[in-house]
Amino acid sequence: GDSVTQMEGPVTLSEEAFLTINCTYTATGYPSLFWYVQYPGEGLQLLLKATKADDKGSNKGFEATYRKETTSFHLEKGSVQVSDSAVYFCALRTNNAGNMLTFGGGTRLMVKP
Amino acid sequence: GAVVSQHPSRVICKSGTSVKIECRSLDFQATTMFWYRQFPKQSLMLMATSNEGSKATYEQGVEKDKFLINHASLTLSTLTVTSAHPEDSSFYICSATFTFPSNQPQHFGDGTRLSIL
Repeated sequence: GDSVTQMEGPVTLSEEAFLTINCTYTATGYPSLFWYVQYPGEGLQLLLKATKADDKGSNKGFEATYRKETTSFHLEKGSVQVSDSAVYFCALRTNNAGNMLTFGGGTRLMVKP
Repeated sequence: GAVVSQHPSRVICKSGTSVKIECRSLDFQATTMFWYRQFPKQSLMLMATSNEGSKATYEQGVEKDKFLINHASLTLSTLTVTSAHPEDSSFYICSATFTFPSNQPQHFGDGTRLSIL
């Protein structure tokens, strides 16, 4: 079945540091890939997405490139801020899943001033 | 953008009480809504998928008589936790999507923190 694997957290960085959160997936067919962010006590917000190989999703300084050859969708940001502290979830959706998402385990990011 | 409202945001109640959580799509018609449960520091666990006008599809291990789901309109789904007990305490999150055109993302509510005393 489909699965998503994320690096375990927490990831602790100083402000303005470079961020990478690794995400790899296993899926049949050609999935769409997503990153969601969850701030404390809130639901999930879509951060970015990519629907086909080599697509790059970007939003709020975050980027992720859909790499079919390595089945990866790593999240990056060049300079993190304290306000980026949250839990980040990688997810995939296959075309025959009726919009159903498969989530990774989540990675907690803590950014210190 | 698409907005999903979930209410209430927090509930504290006594054991044996039934609790209803509402999930509304405010500016689009949600043909499908999903209900998730999230334990502390863990990922989301899909509980059930509900399509407007039909019975919900529950994931394996989720008691349908315990977690009643109703999706009577294109903008509202409800989850009722019946006779809640302390082990039902959790963070419940809904999401909504529409299936046409295809490949629409899920839009999430802000979640409901349920605490059973």
